[in-house]
Amino acid sequence: QKEVEQDPGPLSVPEGAIVSLNCTYSNSAFQYFMWYRQYSRKGPELLMYTYSSGNKEDGRFTAQVDKSSKYISLFIRDSQPSDSATYLCAIPSGYSTLTFGKGTMLLVSP
Amino acid sequence: GAGVSQTPSNKVTEKGKYVELRCDPISGHTALYWYRQSLGQGPEFLIYFQGTGAADDSGLPNDRFFAVRPEGSVSTLKIQRTERGDSAVYLCASFPRAKGRGYGYTFGSGTRLTVV
Repeated sequence: QKEVEQDPGPLSVPEGAIVSLNCTYSNSAFQYFMWYRQYSRKGPELLMYTYSSGNKEDGRFTAQVDKSSKYISLFIRDSQPSDSATYLCAIPSGYSTLTFGKGTMLLVSP
Repeated sequence: GAGVSQTPSNKVTEKGKYVELRCDPISGHTALYWYRQSLGQGPEFLIYFQGTGAADDSGLPNDRFFAVRPEGSVSTLKIQRTERGDSAVYLCASFPRAKGRGYGYTFGSGTRLTVV
């Protein structure tokens, strides 16, 4: 079992929809959870990170961690065409290194 | 510079050739990382530098891959005897901290390597 699993999509939604992106992980010792956004032909950029369980909100974005089921989610409210990108979950796997999921491609149509 | 700069942005090379990929981190960032992203996959860790030394090179796939950072700033990833399976986007990232866990690093746009 891979350390981080993520459905690659693509996920297509109309503008204004609520989007739910998800990852599962295998190691219950993980404490930090991160979401990166990657536009085509660009490097990933950090969107949000959470520590331990619970929710964290930043504008239209909410990150949620459920440690009991080893499940992390990113919700996007009022999705915009500019949100079209690949979303990668990432978990620290070493002192300063990250293990990424495969990424989910999101397409928001006007 | 304002961001992490990687050159070239695209590189096509023939199987068996040697290539060098360059990364210019954000000025003053002491930590530098190389990741590799194959088509349809997330980035995979290759090597991490703290200053001039490789603090963790456990992600390098084999001895054809080597990276240096002689002055603690610019880094070069070197691939010998390239194979078609080396085709991927090679991403560089940097982080300001000299020590302590640092995960929110800044990535460059990557070098897209194609081995034909």
